[in-house]
Amino acid sequence: KAGVTQTPRYLIKTRGQQVTLSCSPISGHRSVSWYQQTPGQGLQFLFEYFSETQRNKGNFPGRFSGRQFSNSRSEMNVSTLELGDSALYLCASSLAQGTYGYTFGSGTRLTVV
Amino acid sequence: DQQVKQNSPSLSVQEGRISILNCDYTNSMFDYFLWYKKYPAEGPTFLISISSIKDKNEDGRFTVFLNKSAKHLSLHIVPSQPGDSAVYFCAASARGGSNYKLTFGKGTLLTVNP
Repeated sequence: KAGVTQTPRYLIKTRGQQVTLSCSPISGHRSVSWYQQTPGQGLQFLFEYFSETQRNKGNFPGRFSGRQFSNSRSEMNVSTLELGDSALYLCASSLAQGTYGYTFGSGTRLTVV
Repeated sequence: DQQVKQNSPSLSVQEGRISILNCDYTNSMFDYFLWYKKYPAEGPTFLISISSIKDKNEDGRFTVFLNKSAKHLSLHIVPSQPGDSAVYFCAASARGGSNYKLTFGKGTLLTVNP
């Protein structure tokens, strides 16, 4: 079966712009979580969506937002981009809420210049 | 406050020998631990997990040991193969994996030399 699909794979944006990243979970998975990976901070939890509702949020500013659609696909949006937002953004899906059975996508590499 | 620590940023071993990757945690609520392997330009891939009710879990060449009193876990790879060269992340969760997020260490780059 298809894995977790993230698009686009690579993105270059300018400071001040906004960006939208997409994540399609494994078929049947209803929970989607987002993580940011940077060299200095490692992988950090952004937020989790389940049944189209944000259930949990990490310690990130309000510029980071997301949503989940009825087909469980999720999008993440970052507004007013800063240089420090350059990172690999990873999406993980699971059947139900929680981290058991997490499967990660390959990520979107965002570079802010 | 880093709740999961991997103090060795890198490790180099010879093919066929044992690789030991270490991880320490500080949060007593953590009761479910996982190891992920990550190649460049790919997402983390699940390797092996262990619940706090056990102190050892084996899967082929991979064994994870958990020392709850020391809040320490380790991943042993025997024998190591060049294809094992990757970044290894230790991660922890609470409530037996039903918690909403994983807390990751910063990773250890393992290089297995032929």
